[in-house]
Amino acid sequence: AQTVTQSQPEMSVQEAETVTLSCTYDTSESDYYLFWYKQPPSRQMILVIRQEAYKQQNATENRFSVNFQKAAKSFSLKISDSQLGDAAMYFCAYRSANAGGTSYGKLTFGQGTILTVHP
Amino acid sequence: DGGITQSPKYLFRKEGQNVTLSCEQNLNHDAMYWYRQDPGQGLRLIYYSQIVNDFQKGDIAEGYSVSREKKESFPLTVTSAQKNPTAFYLCASSMRPISYEQYFGPGTRLTVT
Repeated sequence: AQTVTQSQPEMSVQEAETVTLSCTYDTSESDYYLFWYKQPPSRQMILVIRQEAYKQQNATENRFSVNFQKAAKSFSLKISDSQLGDAAMYFCAYRSANAGGTSYGKLTFGQGTILTVHP
Repeated sequence: DGGITQSPKYLFRKEGQNVTLSCEQNLNHDAMYWYRQDPGQGLRLIYYSQIVNDFQKGDIAEGYSVSREKKESFPLTVTSAQKNPTAFYLCASSMRPISYEQYFGPGTRLTVT
């Protein structure tokens, strides 16, 4: 079974600074997807960024980028120019790309990291 | 507007009562999912459905039941057999099971006393 670990329960950053959230995962599969989701106080889950395991290039979405290290099974999220609206719980998630099986389509989540942004 | 609706936002029940949480989507998505979120933990999969009239158990299905009679609807029943039902419940859907993105509803906070 796949597992996802976020070792930082809480992180803080000053507005306009950069912060990196860590995520490691364990899997025996070679084809999968990784995601970062944001959950603000409203508790609505919002997809921030996704990475396909077969792609070597790190995904980027505006101020959000990832550092994907497949061999190390590491998937960190970097938030540049942090804004007050970035304050939220951030979840790392894994999904198998294998069709069929009991894990088909399922997202496996880490425990989450609470990000505080100081003005 | 297209999206996923969950109602109600807050739900209170007495211990021993079954309760059904609603999840409706108008995105024409095939796949739907139910997750449970507890404090300090990530989301855990309860049940999922890849297509109408079919559903599969997730990691923590005990004490829960679902149905998928219509494409748009995937209600979750929390039965009295669920030992710790108080939690935040999130419904999600995706175009296909293999779609990149799962879209989430706003969630229902269930409190059982």
